[in-house]
Amino acid sequence: EVQLVESGGDLVQPGGSLRLSCAASGFTVSNNFMNWVRQAPGKGLEWVSIIYDAGYTYYADSVKGRFTISRDSSKNVLYLQMDSLRPDDTAIYYCARARGGSDAHKTVSQFWGHGTLVTVSS
Amino acid sequence: AIQLTQSPSALSASVGDRVTITCRASQGISRSLAWFQQRPGKPPKLLICDASTLESGVPSRFSGSGSGTDFTLTISSLQPEDFATYYCQHFYDYPHTFGQGTRLEIK
Repeated sequence: EVQLVESGGDLVQPGGSLRLSCAASGFTVSNNFMNWVRQAPGKGLEWVSIIYDAGYTYYADSVKGRFTISRDSSKNVLYLQMDSLRPDDTAIYYCARARGGSDAHKTVSQFWGHGTLVTVSS
Repeated sequence: AIQLTQSPSALSASVGDRVTITCRASQGISRSLAWFQQRPGKPPKLLICDASTLESGVPSRFSGSGSGTDFTLTISSLQPEDFATYYCQHFYDYPHTFGQGTRLEIK
């Protein structure tokens, strides 16, 4: 069974850093496309970043240069390193496994974790 | 970046009603569109991919259509568990933006 469990969310001051983790079971992270998506309190969904099975990465403009997506194959864990955090980064952060395959829809989030809350405030 | 605009932003309906939600893209995205359902306190659930392909296990009362810039999600006969927020998302290029959401409420 596919399971994703996010952790690492916390209260952090503006300008600070945080690393989120997403522990996967039932599949291999490094063989899949993996997304991070966030949701500010009471707001809509915002796509944040993706890492391909081949290692390519893409980011939303709002986090480019500040956030880094990565993975640890030995631990089967996905990460999101967040630096230079701002109050508008406050959100629940979800990791999600994409559909995969060879078609264009391979990057669409299919299986989601329950999220971890990041609060950026002084 | 491609923008997605959903309408309406909120919708009140009754059990058994047929409802349609629209998602308009700021430029053509072929059929590179997905629909998600999100219930309060839960992660999103993928309903439809490639504009009209129902995900496994999703009830047949859900359907999607469209291509290019205009897309629709239709629920043919609302059930109590369908009252939730619905989002469209494109995967034509990066960033994979979401629409702002449509909140479906019980009348």
